[in-house]
Amino acid sequence: QKEVEQNSGPLSVPEGAIASLNCTYSDRGSQSFFWYRQYSGKSPELIMSIYSNGDKEDGRFTAQLNKASQYVSLLIRDSQPSDSATYLCAVRMDSSYKLIFGSGTRLLVRP
Amino acid sequence: DTEVTQTPKHLVMGMTNKKSLKCEQHMGHRAMYWYKQKAKKPPELMFVYSYEKLSINESVPSRFSPECPNSSLLNLHLHALQPEDSALYLCASSQEGWGEQFFGPGTRLTVL
Repeated sequence: QKEVEQNSGPLSVPEGAIASLNCTYSDRGSQSFFWYRQYSGKSPELIMSIYSNGDKEDGRFTAQLNKASQYVSLLIRDSQPSDSATYLCAVRMDSSYKLIFGSGTRLLVRP
Repeated sequence: DTEVTQTPKHLVMGMTNKKSLKCEQHMGHRAMYWYKQKAKKPPELMFVYSYEKLSINESVPSRFSPECPNSSLLNLHLHALQPEDSALYLCASSQEGWGEQFFGPGTRLTVL
């Protein structure tokens, strides 16, 4: 059973802090990794994709991938109340159309 | 432009009704997806179309019938649904099967 694990939270951080969201996956053949943000009642919005080990930065967001440890994380710098949402980690195995989603981490940024 | 559109936004139907959900993308993507999402759960894959051919059916009950009329359109035909089928139905597309998937806004379905 291929799995993607996330802490359900809520993760509560003060405004301006760094929020760190973590995700582990079970299948070593996984090749593509994605972070989606989902506001309550809305659809998932892609915020980051990462395919190789290391860090990838986009504005206030940094994705980190460590394939040896089967671990992917998302850092949000200077967190804002508008970042309060559920963050879904999604993993795709090589040559598969199927994304496997984690259960999501709810982030709460306190003003 | 990373827009996927879905209609209708909301749908209420009885268990004997037949209805259809529609999804459209104009990004030239060749893979399109239907997902079902229940409250506080992650999206659950239902179907994948690649180059207008059905490539994955995740053992979805036959009361859900997908159709891909052309590379930009994806439909989901609904018939004899059950109340437990009430959920947010999401369409997504990607350049190829391994690319980034972009979701539409979803259709909120209620089955009475």
